[in-house]
Amino acid sequence: NAGVMQNPRHLVRRRGQEARLRCSPMKGHSHVYWYRQLPEEGLKFMVYLQKENIIDESGMPKERFSAEFPKEGPSILRIQQVVRGDSAAYFCASSPHRGPTDTQYFGPGTRLTVL
Amino acid sequence: DAKTTQPNSMESNEEEPVHLPCNHSTISGTDYIHWYRQLPSQGPEYVIHGLTSNVNNRMASLAIAEDRKSSTLILHRATLRDAAVYYCILRDVTGNQFYFGTGTSLTVIP
Repeated sequence: NAGVMQNPRHLVRRRGQEARLRCSPMKGHSHVYWYRQLPEEGLKFMVYLQKENIIDESGMPKERFSAEFPKEGPSILRIQQVVRGDSAAYFCASSPHRGPTDTQYFGPGTRLTVL
Repeated sequence: DAKTTQPNSMESNEEEPVHLPCNHSTISGTDYIHWYRQLPSQGPEYVIHGLTSNVNNRMASLAIAEDRKSSTLILHRATLRDAAVYYCILRDVTGNQFYFGTGTSLTVIP
């Protein structure tokens, strides 16, 4: 059973371009979480999705950021008109259920660099 | 989710036990205590979790204080591969997310 997969692993964009980050959860997992990690900091929650639904987006910036988890295919985190402050590592995690004891399985992350 | 407090960094000699402390004085009765670790340039990985009783698994042990306001992650014999940032996280029954603090950066000295 393959783990959580993220691609690309590294992404370079110029200011004003769009960044699309993909996350394929573990097989059988219908819950996906996105986190952002700035250099030398801990992970910060962004959004929690369950197939085709956004459950909690309280950590997502109100502008330029969006996320989806379609019925078929990977979850996508989209950042429009990127700025230098968006440079960070973006991690996706998945879990089979939702609850206080559920383990989240993390992908290797996408490192976004905005020039 | 309640907040946790951890030391910024700790050192341990290889093959010696390591005790990583975490304070969570505002923990509620339904909060579970989770520990994850993040190796350099990787995503976090699960270590252990518990509610009230001490827990053991193949990676570590979790000792939870009787009043649940603190806990300690115990690595019984540190190896060089245990060098990582260790995060103590609280999660309640209604929470959709994990709150990662800054964690404890563990250095293992050969």
